Amino acid sequence: AQKVTQAQTEISVVEKEDVTLDCVYETRDTTYYLFWYKQPPSGELVFLIRRNSFDEQNEISGRYSWNFQKSTSSFNFTITASQVVDSAVYFCALRLQTGANNLFFGTGTRLTVIP
Amino acid sequence: SAVISQKPSRDICQRGTSLTIQCQVDSQVTMMFWYRQQPGQSLTLIATANQGSEATYESGFVIDKFPISRPNLTFSTLTVSNMSPEDSSIYLCSVVTSSEISDTQYFGPGTRLTVL
Repeated sequence: AQKVTQAQTEISVVEKEDVTLDCVYETRDTTYYLFWYKQPPSGELVFLIRRNSFDEQNEISGRYSWNFQKSTSSFNFTITASQVVDSAVYFCALRLQTGANNLFFGTGTRLTVIP
Repeated sequence: SAVISQKPSRDICQRGTSLTIQCQVDSQVTMMFWYRQQPGQSLTLIATANQGSEATYESGFVIDKFPISRPNLTFSTLTVSNMSPEDSSIYLCSVVTSSEISDTQYFGPGTRLTVL
């Protein structure tokens, strides 16, 4: 069965601190896709990144970086020099190559950045 | 990506009534989905909206409760029927713009529903 675990329910950091959001996934499929989404208080879901299972290169986009490690089935997300606008719920999600198009979501991590 | 709009953005409804939520995309998309997010919870897929045919429902969701239409490649509706307070959730429409299985799902702004 497929599963995405975000063990951190809530995190609070002070502005300018770095923070890492953890994501661990389970699947028996060899080809799959991992995603991160941001949900600010307004409620919309904003796409941040997609990573294919065969591409383990880490990615950096501005203050955001992602560390994908197949050996530990993890896809962690780091925000450097956090800002108040980063306050949101962050979801990690898994989609399989086979079968339906369902996105399996983790339970989300609520990040609060304190000014 | 695509620009996705939903109507209404929020509503407060009485128990036993029904609400239809609209999802409009600014371009033709291959796939449309409806998700539910209960308060403080993650997202759960309700169904895949199929153009010109009946929607494909996930386990635990039935057509009588959540009828879905998709008359064309840019529009879909989800109806929440005979509502109860347990239906209070955010309902989100999402789309895939290409035929690639790896393609990203983009989400609409959501409809925040409160049932009294």
